[in-house]
Amino acid sequence: GIQVEQSPPDLILQEGANSTLRCNFSDSVNNLQWFHQNPWGQLINLFYIPSGTKQNGRLSATTVATERYSLLYISSSQTTDSGVYFCAVTTSGTYKYIFGTGTRLKVLA
Amino acid sequence: GAGVSQTPSNKVTEKGKYVELRCDPISGHTALYWYRQSLGQGPEFLIYFQGTGAADDSGLPNDRFFAVRPEGSVSTLKIQRTERGDSAVYLCASSLTAGVGEQFFGPGTRLTVL
Repeated sequence: GIQVEQSPPDLILQEGANSTLRCNFSDSVNNLQWFHQNPWGQLINLFYIPSGTKQNGRLSATTVATERYSLLYISSSQTTDSGVYFCAVTTSGTYKYIFGTGTRLKVLA
Repeated sequence: GAGVSQTPSNKVTEKGKYVELRCDPISGHTALYWYRQSLGQGPEFLIYFQGTGAADDSGLPNDRFFAVRPEGSVSTLKIQRTERGDSAVYLCASSLTAGVGEQFFGPGTRLTVL
């Protein structure tokens, strides 16, 4: 089955810093989402982005489907950005999301 | 409601008991998904429904697990003869229709089997 790898696995930032999270996948995908799982466990939708570029405030994302990767950019990080970031994909003929390995982010005040 | 809701938020049970976990999807969403998340891992797919029928149950770990969605809205995940290894957070998600667009997740039910 498809493999979804995220990097880095862990990231510690000072408040105000910028970061780039990466998601590599081993096969073509139909759907791709980025989620933030907050410390209370809630999965929050950040982007639905099977291809192209989107921006929402301090966050933006780019998916290059032909090269099988997606990037999530966080600018001017805040302590509330702390948590785990997951990308998740579906492949052709299936509708179940396969989640990546996650990036655990901690933003220090 | 505005989002996906799940009840209970926490469930503690003893090994061997039967449990039911409930999911209320976003109104109008025809697709509903169940995932399980163990500590330190990403969510893993269990089963999904398009309408009332289970379209893909390939993620159910064994026949102790069963899910229903009799009227195409609320779904119940049922676990028989619970085992300590079933302890996890059970997440429900819904989407407008299967395979298209975003899935929206509920807050989860944390199941602890003693």
